[in-house]
Amino acid sequence: QKEVEQDPGPLSVPEGAIVSLNCTYSNSAFQYFMWYRQYSRKGPELLMYTYSSGNKEDGRFTAQVDKSSKYISLFIRDSQPSDSATYLCAMRLMDTGRRALTFGSGTRLQVQP
Amino acid sequence: NAGVTQTPKFRILKIGQSMTLQCAQDMNHNYMYWYRQDPGMGLKLIYYSVGAGITDKGEVPNGYNVSRSTTEDFPLRLELAAPSQTSVYFCASNPGTGGLYEQYFGPGTRLTVT
Repeated sequence: QKEVEQDPGPLSVPEGAIVSLNCTYSNSAFQYFMWYRQYSRKGPELLMYTYSSGNKEDGRFTAQVDKSSKYISLFIRDSQPSDSATYLCAMRLMDTGRRALTFGSGTRLQVQP
Repeated sequence: NAGVTQTPKFRILKIGQSMTLQCAQDMNHNYMYWYRQDPGMGLKLIYYSVGAGITDKGEVPNGYNVSRSTTEDFPLRLELAAPSQTSVYFCASNPGTGGLYEQYFGPGTRLTVT
């Protein structure tokens, strides 16, 4: 079983739709939760982060963490063609060591104009 | 700031050849990382460094070596390239102080071993 599971998609939606992207994880020690966006042939860039449980909103994006269910979500409102990318969830332990991230495999999103 | 830079962008190697993937950052970050990204598999940590002179293995270190002689540079060495090392390689850095968690990624190097 992978430590972090993410549906690879592709997910195709019309412009303006609400998009829901999800990850489940098995290690209850994860404390930091992130969403990275990766455009084709580019490096990942940080989109959202959350520490422990709860919600965080930034413009059209909302990140949710449910630690009791080991489930995290990213919602995109009023989706735009420019949101077409691969979305990677990532998590980290509260360690002071290597601070490395454990990534999901990514969900490819296509927003149709 | 240029951020994290990687060279080359693309490379084709023959089986058994060696090469070095270059990575540099100009943000004075202590932590640096090498990941590989295979289709549908997410990013896997190869090696990391918490400062100049200090390196350690990640999840998939076999077939690779690293060094960190300066804060800015973190090259990844492939010895005796194998087809299983065909992948996209990303270098990343992190400030390493306080509770900061963001990793800044370079643009990647696409490597094909045939």
